[in-house]
Amino acid sequence: EPEVTQTPSHQVTQMGQEVILRCVPISNHLYFYWYRQILGQKVEFLVSFYNNEISEKSEIFDDQFSVERPDGSNFTLKIRSTKLEDSAMYFCASRRQVLTGELFFGEGSRLTVL
Amino acid sequence: AQTVTQSQPEMSVQEAETVTLSCTYDTSENNYYLFWYKQPPSRQMILVIRQEAYKQQNATENRFSVNFQKAAKSFSLKISDSQLGDTAMYFCAFMKEGNTPLVFGKGTRLSVIA
Repeated sequence: EPEVTQTPSHQVTQMGQEVILRCVPISNHLYFYWYRQILGQKVEFLVSFYNNEISEKSEIFDDQFSVERPDGSNFTLKIRSTKLEDSAMYFCASRRQVLTGELFFGEGSRLTVL
Repeated sequence: AQTVTQSQPEMSVQEAETVTLSCTYDTSENNYYLFWYKQPPSRQMILVIRQEAYKQQNATENRFSVNFQKAAKSFSLKISDSQLGDTAMYFCAFMKEGNTPLVFGKGTRLSVIA
């Protein structure tokens, strides 16, 4: 069964360092998303991406964040200069079309900023 | 803005018993989708059940069913014949029509006890 895959599963980084989280969405999906879940808190929307551009972004998704789909399969989230409060689980999700509604999530990448 | 409220942070149920998880939401939209996602310790979020707001009939998926009350903006999840594998965090989520992000509740941690 096709699935969304994410790497790394866990990354530890020093404050101020750049981090890239990678996602491979399901191959025939067209809409891509990043969500974040701070430990013990709810899942929060970061950004959506369609047709090689950002469709929508939340207040959390400031200038330190960027996304791209460099090669037609990977979908990456970059944090330029990590802060302690960026420590969270980051989930990638994708879906084929908007009408079905269902998002398929990856297993998440845990980011720990020291 | 849409909000989703899950008023039960934690619940427990005996194996084979039935449990109901509550969810309420706030929206001015008429057409939308509602979801319950399960997040086991493996972290990946898995869709349990979905409901389209225009459908009056409550959705069911095997042991899982919902009680969708559109006027009351309520969307509870009933798990029948609870199994140990149902132990997980359950998130209620709302989505407007179109390429819009999921809005999650804070989650309910369900423990199924043998």
